[in-house]
Amino acid sequence: AQKVTQAQTEISVVEKEDVTLDCVYETRDTTYYLFWYKQPPSGELVFLIRRNSFDEQNEISGRYSWNFQKSTSSFNFTITASQVVDSAVYFCALSELGYSTLTFGKGTMLLVSP
Amino acid sequence: NAGVTQTPKFQVLKTGQSMTLQCAQDMNHEYMSWYRQDPGMGLRLIHYSVGAGITDQGEVPNGYNVSRSTTEDFPLRLLSAAPSQTSVYFCASSWRGDSNQPQHFGDGTRLSIL
Repeated sequence: AQKVTQAQTEISVVEKEDVTLDCVYETRDTTYYLFWYKQPPSGELVFLIRRNSFDEQNEISGRYSWNFQKSTSSFNFTITASQVVDSAVYFCALSELGYSTLTFGKGTMLLVSP
Repeated sequence: NAGVTQTPKFQVLKTGQSMTLQCAQDMNHEYMSWYRQDPGMGLRLIHYSVGAGITDQGEVPNGYNVSRSTTEDFPLRLLSAAPSQTSVYFCASSWRGDSNQPQHFGDGTRLSIL
């Protein structure tokens, strides 16, 4: 069965610091998809990125970047120059080929203080 | 587009009461699912559906019923509410049953069972 581990329960940083959120996954499939979602204090879930298992290129979107490494089964998320508005719970999730269900990690709460 | 609409947003029930959480989407998505979010547990899959008339159990299905009579609606029924079902419930939808499609989430229903 698949599993997603976010070992960091809570991270506190000061504005403008860089921060990396770790995600380690387990799956027996060779084809799978990884996702990151953001849950701000208002409670909704916001899709950030999707990555398939055949694409190990790192991705950058503004201050956000993602590092996917199959060799270590990790899909880490870095926020550069963090801002107060980045304060949220971030979830890493996995789905396997043929299934649209998501297996979520327990989430990492990021608190960015001014 | 309204996206995924969940009603109600908040509900308080007494133990043993029944109720239905409503979920509707207007994106003609085939795939719909229900998750519950508990502190420190991430989101866990309750039930899902890959199309009208087809439903299946997720990780934590006990105490919940679902049906999918139309593409648009996927209600979640609590037959006899228990305090352990106090949680935030999220409905999600996506195109088809493909793993690579990001889930579109509703804003959640916060349910308290006394």
